[in-house]
Amino acid sequence: DIQMTQSPSSLSASVGDRVTITCQASQDISNYLNWYQQKPGKAPKLLIYDASNLETGVPSRFSGSGSGTDFTFTISSLQPEDIATYYCQQYDNPLFTFGPGTKVDIK
Amino acid sequence: EVQLVESGGGLVKPGGSLRLSCAASGFTFSSYSMNWVRQAPGKGLEWVSSISSSSSYIYYADSVKGRFTISRDNAKNSLYLQMNSLRAEDTAVYYCARDRYDSSGSHLFDIWGQGTMVTVSS
Repeated sequence: DIQMTQSPSSLSASVGDRVTITCQASQDISNYLNWYQQKPGKAPKLLIYDASNLETGVPSRFSGSGSGTDFTFTISSLQPEDIATYYCQQYDNPLFTFGPGTKVDIK
Repeated sequence: EVQLVESGGGLVKPGGSLRLSCAASGFTFSSYSMNWVRQAPGKGLEWVSSISSSSSYIYYADSVKGRFTISRDNAKNSLYLQMNSLRAEDTAVYYCARDRYDSSGSHLFDIWGQGTMVTVSS
């Protein structure tokens, strides 16, 4: 089974800062990598799919890149409403695996 | 409005059973694969099971294989998860999620329900 790691596990940044989260797969997953945002007490929300495609309606300050085993998720200018935990997810036909998550808060 | 609404959660004793339901509305339910994802208190997300649009393909995480059964009724726009032989470690919020197939060959979960809490405790 493919394992996913994320780093850091948590971070604290100021409003307006650029925030970067990395996700690594234990083997090549091409670009089958999605990113989700989960706010406390709420269901996850899809932000990025296929490593770099922005889901409809998601602000453009969110972006993703990477392929193979190494992926990056970026918030170009952190906003107060971005406080959440972010998860990467891979699809390895027919199974799915989530990363352990990165908790983002405001400094 | 596209919506998924879970129900059926509650408190159950170890070894007991519970059936979760997920009611879909606002989209053609029979055209989509569906999934169950769970989240233990204070923990991350764990994919549990998936079912294809016509129920032809069904998959489970190793942690629930042999104990949980996923099913659907396209006529009722509903998804189900029958959970048997429940353990304390099955305690979690259970979400149903719509599986959107991308033309690249990938799958992504684009619509989620609000979740239903399952607590396994004596």
